Amino acid sequence: NAGVTQTPKFQVLKTGQSMTLQCAQDMNHEYMSWYRQDPGMGLRLIHYSVGAGITDQGEVPNGYNVSRSTTEDFPLRLLSAAPSQTSVYFCASSYRGLAELQETQYFGPGTRLLVL
Amino acid sequence: KQEVTQIPAALSVPEGENLVLNCSFTDSAIYNLQWFRQDPGKGLTSLLLIQSSQREQTSGRLNASLDKSSGRSTLYIAASQPGDSATYLCAVVDSGNTPLVFGKGTRLSVIA
Repeated sequence: NAGVTQTPKFQVLKTGQSMTLQCAQDMNHEYMSWYRQDPGMGLRLIHYSVGAGITDQGEVPNGYNVSRSTTEDFPLRLLSAAPSQTSVYFCASSYRGLAELQETQYFGPGTRLLVL
Repeated sequence: KQEVTQIPAALSVPEGENLVLNCSFTDSAIYNLQWFRQDPGKGLTSLLLIQSSQREQTSGRLNASLDKSSGRSTLYIAASQPGDSATYLCAVVDSGNTPLVFGKGTRLSVIA
């Protein structure tokens, strides 16, 4: 299994540009989520999905869109990049076990985004 | 709103020492608690997961305990090694469908 994969590893954008961060997992996990990690702020949830066709907002959703058309993929779209979106972005997935409890979360290697 | 706090923010110890990392959470009605390790420039790796009905979990030199009533968890690392140097994060799940809520982590340095 490749686990959770993210592309690209690093990206530079200009203010106002749009882009999609890709996330894929091959473990048949129902639960997927996107976090951003900033110095002094820790990991903050952007959006998450409990299954194909279902998404919900996290703590910091503004400026980001998601969709979940398949179990495997959960792309994160930046609509109009701003310098405040400079961050490291992590995608994670987990299996929903007995009583629909989340099991261990698996994280991708991250995408470093710089918005100029 | 659930809040997770980790103390200390940074810790430096000599090789071979046993150490304890602390995690506290404000709402004791959690479903599970996880400890992660993050190396510089890398993603997170899950170390231990404790379900709400459990009191502790062990993996090798690592032992995590959970006291829901007091809103606390500890990660015990025995006989620390320089390879243990990393940031350790604690995270909780409040219910089956809610995402992880993370603490800001403890940055550990083990000096040879």
